Amino acid sequence: QKEVEQNSGPLSVPEGAIASLNCTYSDRGSQSFFWYRQYSGKSPELIMFIYSNGDKEDGRFTAQLNKASQYVSLLIRDSQPSDSATYLCAVSTGFQKLVFGTGTRLLVSP
Amino acid sequence: NAGVTQTPKFRILKIGQSMTLQCTQDMNHNYMYWYRQDPGMGLKLIYYSVGAGITDKGEVPNGYNVSRSTTEDFPLRLELAAPSQTSVYFCASSTPGLAGEGQYFGPGTRLTVT
Repeated sequence: QKEVEQNSGPLSVPEGAIASLNCTYSDRGSQSFFWYRQYSGKSPELIMFIYSNGDKEDGRFTAQLNKASQYVSLLIRDSQPSDSATYLCAVSTGFQKLVFGTGTRLLVSP
Repeated sequence: NAGVTQTPKFRILKIGQSMTLQCTQDMNHNYMYWYRQDPGMGLKLIYYSVGAGITDKGEVPNGYNVSRSTTEDFPLRLELAAPSQTSVYFCASSTPGLAGEGQYFGPGTRLTVT
């Protein structure tokens, strides 16, 4: 059974701080990794994807991948109250099927 | 482009009833998926399809059925609804690629079985 683990939170950070969200996965053969943001009552929205070791930056978001440690993280710089949401880590298997973690709830206080 | 659309948005079913959740995408994506999300949980894959006429089971297929007669549509059928099927159902689509660029989700159907 392929598993994706996340701390459920909530992770509380003040506005303007860096939020760090972490995820571990069990399948060493996994190739592609995704971060989704989900606001309460809404559908998941793709933020980032990464498939090479190292960092990938997109605006205020940075995804980090360490395949040796089976570890993926998402950094959100200059956090805003509008970033308050649940962040889902997902790992791709065959045919781009995704295995999701249970999500980390982020709260950004003004 | 409307993206991925789902109907209905909400539905209440009685135990033993059946229904079909509709999903349509206009992005010409080959791959389509059905997930369910229980409160406080991640998404679990029910069924997926890699093209018209091709479907396969995901992690939690029991109690559900799918068909894929066109690229655009991927309906999910619930037979003999049970309280355990109370959940939010999301349809998603993606296009095949070297690494994939993730899936795009519809707005969801909130289903209650009482």
